[in-house]
Amino acid sequence: KAGVTQTPRYLIKTRGQQVTLSCSPISGHRSVSWYQQTPGQGLQFLFEYFSETQRNKGNFPGRFSGRQFSNSRSEMNVSTLELGDSALYLCASSLLGRRGLAGESAYEQYFGPGTRLTVT
Amino acid sequence: DAKTTQPTSMDCAEGRAANLPCNHSTISGNEYVYWYRQIHSQGPQYIIHGLKNNETNEMASLIITEDRKSSTLILPHATLRDTAVYYCIVRPSSNDYKLSFGAGTTVTVRA
Repeated sequence: KAGVTQTPRYLIKTRGQQVTLSCSPISGHRSVSWYQQTPGQGLQFLFEYFSETQRNKGNFPGRFSGRQFSNSRSEMNVSTLELGDSALYLCASSLLGRRGLAGESAYEQYFGPGTRLTVT
Repeated sequence: DAKTTQPTSMDCAEGRAANLPCNHSTISGNEYVYWYRQIHSQGPQYIIHGLKNNETNEMASLIITEDRKSSTLILPHATLRDTAVYYCIVRPSSNDYKLSFGAGTTVTVRA
């Protein structure tokens, strides 16, 4: 079974531009979460999508947005890029995305390799 | 979520057990202890988690103290491929969608 894939793997943009990152979850997984990872702040939650709906959102400005398609693939967009947006953007998928009685593996998150975004 | 404290770095000899400590003195009753690791240039990888009892899987063992204020991740036979940053986090069982890592422990396995 293929893992989570993210494209592109590396990206260089200039301040003020916008960028769209793509994530394809593991086949059958319906929940997709996005994270930003920087050396200073560590891993920070951006948002989570389930069945094309944003269920949860982290504490990021409105420049960060996302969406999920009917095939569970997800994109995130960052508009008006700032230097501080340089980071590794990680996507994680899970089968159902919420803990319950069905067993831990149904809710565990599997990460993709990330997209390294550099803003100059 | 409760905060955790881990050593910044540690070295381990290949083939030996690696014992990674984590303090989580403010953990509450419904919070699980989770361990992830991140190998260079890869996304984080789930290792193991537990609530009260010690846990073991094919990757590692997790020992949680009786008062649940600290835990130890054990890699029984470390290999060079286990070189990574290891993160210990605590989170409520219902908070699955939201992970937050701190600095973690950089583990270097040496031949």
